[in-house]
Amino acid sequence: GNSVTQMEGPVTLSEEAFLTINCTYTATGYPSLFWYVQYPGEGLQLLLKATKADDKGSNKGFEATYRKETTSFHLEKGSVQVSDSAVYFCALMNGSGNQFYFGTGTSLTVIP
Amino acid sequence: KAGVTQTPRYLIKTRGQQVTLSCSPISGHRSVSWYQQTPGQGLQFLFEYFSETQRNKGNFPGRFSGRQFSNSRSEMNVSTLELGDSALYLCASSHSYEQYFGPGTRLTVT
Repeated sequence: GNSVTQMEGPVTLSEEAFLTINCTYTATGYPSLFWYVQYPGEGLQLLLKATKADDKGSNKGFEATYRKETTSFHLEKGSVQVSDSAVYFCALMNGSGNQFYFGTGTSLTVIP
Repeated sequence: KAGVTQTPRYLIKTRGQQVTLSCSPISGHRSVSWYQQTPGQGLQFLFEYFSETQRNKGNFPGRFSGRQFSNSRSEMNVSTLELGDSALYLCASSHSYEQYFGPGTRLTVT
């Protein structure tokens, strides 16, 4: 079956620190992979995506590379800001394109 | 383009009552999915509709139901509410293998 496992939170970092949030997946077929971000009181926003192996998704300084050999899609940012404080969800879409599977979310707090 | 809209944003109901939540997808999107988000369980998939047909269903009891109209708007209904149904209910519309989420409806059952 399909599933996503994310590193447990919460994560607290100082401003300008390096961020990594680990995400691994189990999937049949050829899934697409996503990172979503949820700010307090809001719905989820698409942060970045990758649709095939070795693709790198990037947006707003965040990056993640689709690694088929390690079934991973780790989120990274070189220098976090206070405004990056949010909950981050890793997700996969099945090969049929009709169902998404989400990780449990990782809460990030960035302190000045 | 307007985003995904959900109404109402907040709702307080009593155990045993029923509730209907509404979702209007982004114009042109034909797929609508519903999720329940709780602190303990994270984001759980309820069901997905495409062109008025339920294509996928998550592992929820029959008290949770949904439908989609010809204009792609969707509703979900929860009957005989339980305290454990208190959650943020998120709707997402899909196009080109991407999902776009609404702000959610916060349901509190007392």
